[in-house]
Amino acid sequence: DAKTTQPNSMESNEEEPVHLPCNHSTISGTDYIHWYRQLPSQGPEYVIHGLTSNVNNRMASLAIAEDRKSSTLILHRATLRDAAVYYCILADSWGKLQFGAGTQVVVTP
Amino acid sequence: NAGVTQTPKFQVLKTGQSMTLQCAQDMNHNSMYWYRQDPGMGLRLIYYSASEGTTDKGEVPNGYNVSRLNKREFSLRLESAAPSQTSVYFCAIRDGYLMGTGDEQYFGPGTRLTVT
Repeated sequence: DAKTTQPNSMESNEEEPVHLPCNHSTISGTDYIHWYRQLPSQGPEYVIHGLTSNVNNRMASLAIAEDRKSSTLILHRATLRDAAVYYCILADSWGKLQFGAGTQVVVTP
Repeated sequence: NAGVTQTPKFQVLKTGQSMTLQCAQDMNHNSMYWYRQDPGMGLRLIYYSASEGTTDKGEVPNGYNVSRLNKREFSLRLESAAPSQTSVYFCAIRDGYLMGTGDEQYFGPGTRLTVT
């Protein structure tokens, strides 16, 4: 099964951008790259996903490498509410998500 | 967590007891999933149902059974609970109308289960 590799934690100052890297060297051609985040004591929350092209939505941007072996989630202006564990996940055609340990994002005022 | 409800929110069981976790959705989505999350770890898929009338095993199905009762409801049953099943259980849904579209999942608030 395809897996992802993320840093354990990242720290950012409030209102600064946050770039969260993810490596997925064994990605298959039909796997989608998904990002979810989880706040304490809550279920995961969808952030963004993409297949080959870069994607933008109201929460974040997703930059996908040309060979698709890595991607970066970009939070344009971190707020205290963005402090969470961020998961980079490869989803197969059945929508099955395989979570790793994620990256703990700490935002300091 | 809008659209996905889970009951109960908390449960304490003794080893060997059985129970059923309930999940219901009001978004008319086709696919439903059960995950468990142990402390400090990511979620692991237990079972999923791609559409009404079908169920399949995920990564950690041992000790669990599921029923897709109808399009709205997907239950997870522990027949003989063990301390290793102490975890937080999340239900999720996905439109899944078209294969391979990569659509997102919506998660419920979770059920916190302790087995003593």
